[in-house]
Amino acid sequence: TQLLEQSPQFLSIQEGENLTVYCNSSSVFSSLQWYRQEPGEGPVLLVTVVTGGEVKKLKRLTFQFGDARKDSSLHITAAQPGDTGLYLCAGAWVNQGGKLIFGQGTELSVKP
Amino acid sequence: GEEVAQTPKHLVRGEGQKAKLYCAPIKGHSYVFWYQQVLKNEFKFLISFQNENVFDETGMPKERFSAKCLPNSPCSLEIQATKLEDSAVYFCASSQGLAGENNEQFFGPGTRLTVL
Repeated sequence: TQLLEQSPQFLSIQEGENLTVYCNSSSVFSSLQWYRQEPGEGPVLLVTVVTGGEVKKLKRLTFQFGDARKDSSLHITAAQPGDTGLYLCAGAWVNQGGKLIFGQGTELSVKP
Repeated sequence: GEEVAQTPKHLVRGEGQKAKLYCAPIKGHSYVFWYQQVLKNEFKFLISFQNENVFDETGMPKERFSAKCLPNSPCSLEIQATKLEDSAVYFCASSQGLAGENNEQFFGPGTRLTVL
């Protein structure tokens, strides 16, 4: 079973600060998805990264996929209270069929 | 539909009772996945379907859990004789293809099962 390590698990910052969440595996991903989940709701897809070295931007969120496709990061610039939530990375491997393997999640709290 | 629908939103069962959860995938999506979220952050894969066929059931506790996706009906996940440790939020997701082939999974709002 491939393991997906996500860090940090908890993050409490002030509005305006920057932050980075990391997602690492010892195996090569075929793709990696980042989700955001709010209380009482299902995960909402933010982005999918596929190509090694890929960088995708979504407003103040920047997603990077490592060159070797074993790691990924999510960077938020000038965090706002509306960014508060649970961020999840989920990896897919060709030999794991269609399922996603989730990281432990990062609970982000942005204080005004 | 355009979104994954799950019913009911909440389900409360006494230990030993049966629980049945339903999922309607996004129209046109061939794959359905069930995940269990325990302790808020831990997602565990249970089972997946390709149309009405079981695709991967490696995560299913076979003794008490069963699932179906029948034509023209919502998919279902059934737990016979629920136990306290089955308390969790159960999510259904659908996709056009497999995540390992770079297809995105879209999640429903979940069913919160509480076993008393």
